[in-house]
Amino acid sequence: QQQVKQSPQSLIVQKGGIPIINCAYENTAFDYFPWYQQFPGKGPALLIAIRPDVSEKKEGRFTISFNKSAKQFSLHIMDSQPGDSATYFCAARDLSGSARQLTFGSGTQLTVLP
Amino acid sequence: ETGVTQTPRHLVMGMTNKKSLKCEQHLGHNAMYWYKQSAKKPLELMFVYSLEERVENNSVPSRFSPECPNSSHLFLHLHTLQPEDSALYLCASSQERGGLYNEQFFGPGTRLTVL
Repeated sequence: QQQVKQSPQSLIVQKGGIPIINCAYENTAFDYFPWYQQFPGKGPALLIAIRPDVSEKKEGRFTISFNKSAKQFSLHIMDSQPGDSATYFCAARDLSGSARQLTFGSGTQLTVLP
Repeated sequence: ETGVTQTPRHLVMGMTNKKSLKCEQHLGHNAMYWYKQSAKKPLELMFVYSLEERVENNSVPSRFSPECPNSSHLFLHLHTLQPEDSALYLCASSQERGGLYNEQFFGPGTRLTVL
């Protein structure tokens, strides 16, 4: 119930391509879905987040698409750049009660080739 | 210093050693977290402190002992670890009051190797 399944494990695209990372969940109590970006030697940093009352959110070149009925959400990176090469984690939080835990996916290592 | 800092950045220890990891947040937050990050696995939440009180402990072995002396500092004391405890240990903080989503800010981590 608490798992968030993330795919693919790794992804290589050419500069300008549109990598897509997918996540799926089972717990219907999840109602906040952030994406984190982690560069080597750094901790994860919040990139973009969405609530399930919207189907899409854009911030710059990053877009989250959310499908509540399918319990899936994905990250799209438009016009990807070599500087986007990093590990991306999806996550989900149950905001009911006093839950504080973020349940993370296993991560996707993205490489954008110049 | 800004954000969340962690020391040391790298640590190598034997199974019989005792060591401590330190985390400090400069963001005025009142909740702090320890996570374990292993390759190709989801981040595992270990401990949560809110207002210096431990509020969650996710079945972590007793060889890991957290300490939160104040809202800005968090320690993880390590004793008789196993090689499978080798991982990146991440500290995070968040503001429990106000902000609905309590964004977590992470430190750079301590890379721990247990020989």
